[in-house]
Amino acid sequence: KQEVTQIPAALSVPEGENLVLNCSFTDSAIYNLQWFRQDPGKGLTSLLLIQSSQREQTSGRLNASLDKSSGRSTLYIAASQPGDSATYLCAVESVPNNAGNMLTFGGGTRLMVKP
Amino acid sequence: EAGVAQSPRYKIIEKRQSVAFWCNPISGHATLYWYQQILGQGPKLLIQFQNNGVVDDSQLPKDRFSAERLKGVDSTLKIQPAKLEDSAVYLCASSLIRGGLEAFFGQGTRLTVV
Repeated sequence: KQEVTQIPAALSVPEGENLVLNCSFTDSAIYNLQWFRQDPGKGLTSLLLIQSSQREQTSGRLNASLDKSSGRSTLYIAASQPGDSATYLCAVESVPNNAGNMLTFGGGTRLMVKP
Repeated sequence: EAGVAQSPRYKIIEKRQSVAFWCNPISGHATLYWYQQILGQGPKLLIQFQNNGVVDDSQLPKDRFSAERLKGVDSTLKIQPAKLEDSAVYLCASSLIRGGLEAFFGQGTRLTVV
C-alpha cells in the first residue's frame, strides 16, 4: 500500500526566504507525482506534475524535483511571498496490485509567509 | 474550459440523516475520484471510477456510503445514515485517462454533521 509523508507539517518563514517542502513515498512504482496548493476552504489547485521519467519541473518561482528510486520529491519555492501562504499537498499516482491507478496524498505542509 | 463542478458547497445535517453530493467532471474526462478530507489531513480516496465502472472502492465505508456514475459523466456520493465523524470536505476530481495525466479538483462540499 502506497504511503505518502510530507515534512514539515507546518512552516513559518519571513517574506523573501527560499524554502523547501519535502515529500516521500514508499512504493516507487509510480506514474507521476503532483504538487497541489490548497487555500483555506477551497479545493486543490495543481501546481506541478512530474512524470515518472522526469527529474524536475519548473513553473515561475516553483521548482519540483523527483527522485523515484529513493521515493522522494521536493518543492522549492524561491523568494517566498505572503500570497504563497497555503497548504501544499503532494500526491503520487501509482498502480497497486489488481486495481486501477490510485492518487495517494500526503498530509500536507501548512505554509505561512510573514510580511 | 470549465472546471470540475460540485454542489452543494456547504451542508449541515443532523446525525443519522442522509445527504447526497453531486459532481460534474471536466468534459471528456474518463476518470473520476471522490475524496474525503478531514480537517488538518490530506485527502483520502473513497472511490474511483473509470467511465461508469468502479476501479477502486476499497476505502469506501459501504455500510453507509454509496456512489454511482451513471452514463460515465456526472457522479453522486451519498451518505446514509451520517455520523459525526463524517464531517469533512468531500472533493471530486477528474482526469482524462488513468496513468500520467493531471488530476483536476472541484471546490469541494463541506459537510458538517451535528
